[in-house]
Amino acid sequence: NAGVMQNPRHLVRRRGQEARLRCSPMKGHSHVYWYRQLPEEGLKFMVYLQKENIIDESGMPKERFSAEFPKEGPSILRIQQVVRGDSAAYFCASSATSNSYNEQFFGPGTRLTVL
Amino acid sequence: AQTVTQSQPEMSVQEAETVTLSCTYDTSESNYYLFWYKQPPSRQMILVIRQEAYKQQNATENRFSVNFQKAAKSFSLKISDSQLGDTAMYFCAWQTFYGGSQGNLIFGKGTKLSVKP
Repeated sequence: NAGVMQNPRHLVRRRGQEARLRCSPMKGHSHVYWYRQLPEEGLKFMVYLQKENIIDESGMPKERFSAEFPKEGPSILRIQQVVRGDSAAYFCASSATSNSYNEQFFGPGTRLTVL
Repeated sequence: AQTVTQSQPEMSVQEAETVTLSCTYDTSESNYYLFWYKQPPSRQMILVIRQEAYKQQNATENRFSVNFQKAAKSFSLKISDSQLGDTAMYFCAWQTFYGGSQGNLIFGKGTKLSVKP
């Protein structure tokens, strides 16, 4: 059973470009969480999605950031008009359900560098 | 708002010795989980150990054990017989349950542990 997949692993963008980060959850998992890790910091929650629904986006900046988890295909975190402060590692995690405890399994992360 | 605090930015330990990493948290909720995650240089997040708040017994996983003090809101990690492969960032994390569903993880800033030969 493959783990959580994220691609690309490294992404370089110039200021003003768009960044698209992809997350394929583990097989059978329908819940996806996105976290951002700034240098020398812990992970910070951004958004929680189920298939075709955003459940909690309280950690996501209101401007330029969006996320989706379509019925088919990976979850996408999209950052428009990137700025240097967006440089970070972005992790997604998936779980089987959210009822009772279900471990969140993390992907290897995407390291975004904004030049 | 819930917070997780790790007051030790860096620690080091000699191989085969024991080290304790500290974590405190602040919450008014009664139903939650606490975790320690390991992040080696590969940056992959690895779950080390989990503690349910309603359980009084401290969790153990092989060389890893916790000291959970609910009233003091303290959750420390003890690593026994430290190995070179334990060198990593260690993050304490908190998670709530609301309406029967689990929420997101809230992480501390981490402790960088170096195991020296």
